[in-house]
Amino acid sequence: SYELTQPPSVSVSSGQTASITCSGDKLGNKYASWYQQKPGQSPVLVIHQDRKRPSGIPERFSGSNSGNTATLTISGTQTMDEADYYCQAWDSSYVFGTGTKVTVL
Amino acid sequence: QVQLQESGPGLVKPSETLSLTCTVSGYSISGDDYWGWIRQPPGKGLEWIGSLYHSGSTYYKPSLKSRVSISVDIPKNQFSLRLTSVTAADTAVYYCARSGDYGEGSAFDIWGQGTMVTVS
Repeated sequence: SYELTQPPSVSVSSGQTASITCSGDKLGNKYASWYQQKPGQSPVLVIHQDRKRPSGIPERFSGSNSGNTATLTISGTQTMDEADYYCQAWDSSYVFGTGTKVTVL
Repeated sequence: QVQLQESGPGLVKPSETLSLTCTVSGYSISGDDYWGWIRQPPGKGLEWIGSLYHSGSTYYKPSLKSRVSISVDIPKNQFSLRLTSVTAADTAVYYCARSGDYGEGSAFDIWGQGTMVTVS
């Protein structure tokens, strides 16, 4: 079955740029989506189709996807961005990544 | 404003059937969208269970297919999940969610608040 691998944790200083990777076989040939999940809350879609932001998502969230890696970038990271982030793709069924905990220092 | 709300028992005995309902408000379930169930075991990641279109077409994760069924009740604007022969491994927060399409390129843009189901 298809697997998406993410680093367990990423730390970033407030105001700096955080990059979260998602690795999967030929992932660049698929669309990647990203979800933000804060403790005790439901996931929120922040990026879909590699780089599209849903309405209401701040411009500091951006995405890219090439080769075997999709990347979620948070520019000017704020304390409120501290959360778990999950990538998601499609390979005959929906597949979610292992998740990355982002800590804002 | 589209809202989804899960409901159902929070405790299910091993080998029995887990049944949950998702009530959609502020939007017709008969629209051109798909409706899905996703679960998250405590402290773990997200797992897609299955999706449904209002016509009754259903799609399930292969490894769960033998135990899962998803159905729709259009007059009540609800869809439901049944998972049979549950074990402790099925203990999780269960979310219902909407996706604008199904398959490649689609994503879950609206989620319910989730409901914790414990198998014990």
